[in-house]
Amino acid sequence: QLHLQESGPGLVQPSETLSLTCSVSDGSVTSSTYFWGWVRQSPGKGLEWVGTIHHGGTTYYKSSLKSRVTISVDTWKNQFSLRLSSVAAADTAVYYCAASHGDGFDYWGQGTLVTVSS
Amino acid sequence: DIQMTQSPSTLSASVGDRVTITCRSSQSISTWLAWYQQKPGKAPKLLISEASTLEYGVPSRFSGSGSGTEFTLTISSLQPNDFATYYCQQYNRYSTFGQGTKVEI
Repeated sequence: QLHLQESGPGLVQPSETLSLTCSVSDGSVTSSTYFWGWVRQSPGKGLEWVGTIHHGGTTYYKSSLKSRVTISVDTWKNQFSLRLSSVAAADTAVYYCAASHGDGFDYWGQGTLVTVSS
Repeated sequence: DIQMTQSPSTLSASVGDRVTITCRSSQSISTWLAWYQQKPGKAPKLLISEASTLEYGVPSRFSGSGSGTEFTLTISSLQPNDFATYYCQQYNRYSTFGQGTKVEI
């Protein structure tokens, strides 16, 4: 049973870079079994896929975020990360990290609220 | 980007009702479709993948069907624990979620 836990600042200044980390336990980020992804949810709104990284390092990003998003894996720390640059108030959301066997996201972190505000 | 459209946005139902939620994609996605249940303040829970494959531990009153561009999630007999918001998701390499369907009393 894979366990995921998000961590990172809860408050980010406008125009700065949002950085979140997802720690993986009871599994390895180097496993070819899983894809790793980020999903966000603005307050009171629906789910929004941000991006996914496949084993081997291939990344797929939501087109409207592509110029600002980077997802990467840190094999030494058994973590994967999200960086979103030039944030604005519209990026305020609960950010979830998640893992997929290839058919939907089977495992989710609890989510972390990131507020963009000065 | 592939767009996913769920209907209805809100559904009022009673315990024991048969409930059907529809999800349409803007282009064919074969059966690359998942359904999730989300309760307030919680992470989504995967219910169904590949359009019709029930995840382990999900009650059999949940079922999914469809292929191509039209999909349905059916709850055969709504239980008190089923009042939640449901999302469809298309996945292949890129992904998109539907806007959600809130099932309420």
